[in-house]
Formats: sequence, C-alpha cells, structure tokens
Amino acid sequence: AQKVTQAQTEISVVEKEDVTLDCVYETRDTTYYLFWYKQPPSGELVFLIRRNSFDEQNEISGRYSWNFQKSTSSFNFTITASQVVDSAVYFCALSESYNTDKLIFGTGTRLQVFP
Amino acid sequence: EPEVTQTPSHQVTQMGQEVILRCVPISNHLYFYWYRQILGQKVEFLVSFYNNEISEKSEIFDDQFSVERPDGSNFTLKIRSTKLEDSAMYFCASMQNYGYTFGSGTRLTVV
Repeated sequence: AQKVTQAQTEISVVEKEDVTLDCVYETRDTTYYLFWYKQPPSGELVFLIRRNSFDEQNEISGRYSWNFQKSTSSFNFTITASQVVDSAVYFCALSESYNTDKLIFGTGTRLQVFP
Repeated sequence: EPEVTQTPSHQVTQMGQEVILRCVPISNHLYFYWYRQILGQKVEFLVSFYNNEISEKSEIFDDQFSVERPDGSNFTLKIRSTKLEDSAMYFCASMQNYGYTFGSGTRLTVV
C-alpha cells in the first residue's frame, strides 16, 4: 500500500537558518509522482513541486531545494535562509500511475520561523 | 493561470442538515477529487471522479456522501445528514497529466 511518512511533526527555527523537512514514501509502483505543498495559516494548499520517479535530479528554486533519492525512498525539502513568511504546514504527497491517481498526503510538518 | 473555484468559502450548518459543496474545476481537466482536512490533521482523500462516474472512494466516503457533475462544469459534494465530525475543510481538486490544482477550500462547521 502506498504511504507517505513525515516524521517531523513540528520544527522551529530562527530566521536565516537552513531547515530540512523529511519525507519518506512507500509504493509498489515503478512509476509515481511526488509532490510538496505548502499550507499557510490562511488554509489553502500551495503547490511547490512535482517530481516523477524517473527523474532523480535534485531541484533548486530560489531558497527552496529538493533531494530525491529512490534508494532510500525519500524526497526531502530544504529551505535555505528561512524567513518568517515560510511559516506554514508543509505536506509531502504521492501519486501512483496505476491507481486512480489520487494524491496520498503525509501528516505534514509545521514549520515555525521566528524573527 | 486557471483556477479551481469552490463555494462557499465557509458554511455553518446544523447537525442532521444536508449540505452541498460546490466546485468549478479547470475546464480541460478530466479527473476530479474531493479531499477533507479535519482541523490540525492531514489532508485525506475522499473520492475521485472520472468520465462522469466515481473511480475510487475511500472508507470515509460512506452512504451519506455523494458527488455529481450535474452540468459539465460544476462538481458537487453532497453530505446528506451532517454530523459533528463532518466539520472540516473540504478541498476540491482537478488534475490533468499529474498536475493537480486545488481550490481554496470550503470550511464546513457542523453545530
């Protein structure tokens, strides 16, 4: 069965610190997609990244970077030089191609960035 | 950029009442979903809808829930007889080529 684990329930950092949010997934499929979403206090789900299972290249977008490692079934998310506006709940999610393509979310990591 | 629109943004209803949550997916998307998020918890899959029928539903999606696409544009979630535990944020999403777009959600409060 597919499963997404975000072991870190809550992380607190001081502004300008780097922080890594962990995500470990389980799937039987060889073709799947991984996602990160941000949920700010206003409640909407903001798409951050999608990565397919055949592309293990790390990705960087500004202060955000993602490390995808199939060998450890992990898709970790790093925020460099964190800012107060990064405070939110971050969800990792998985979609399998053979299924109805539903997204399965992890339990989320609440990040608090203090000034 | 195309959006998924959900209405209302917030609904308060009495226990036992029926509610209908509305969504307008992105027009060229073919896959539609409802998700639920109880306050402070994770986002849970309720149901997926493709080709005018349910393609998968979770164990949460029991007989009190139903979905339909009545007019080719709207996608609705009906809860027949609401319970206190139905209080949650409900998100609609549509998908094409594994690009999922979520609406802003409807916060349902059952009192």
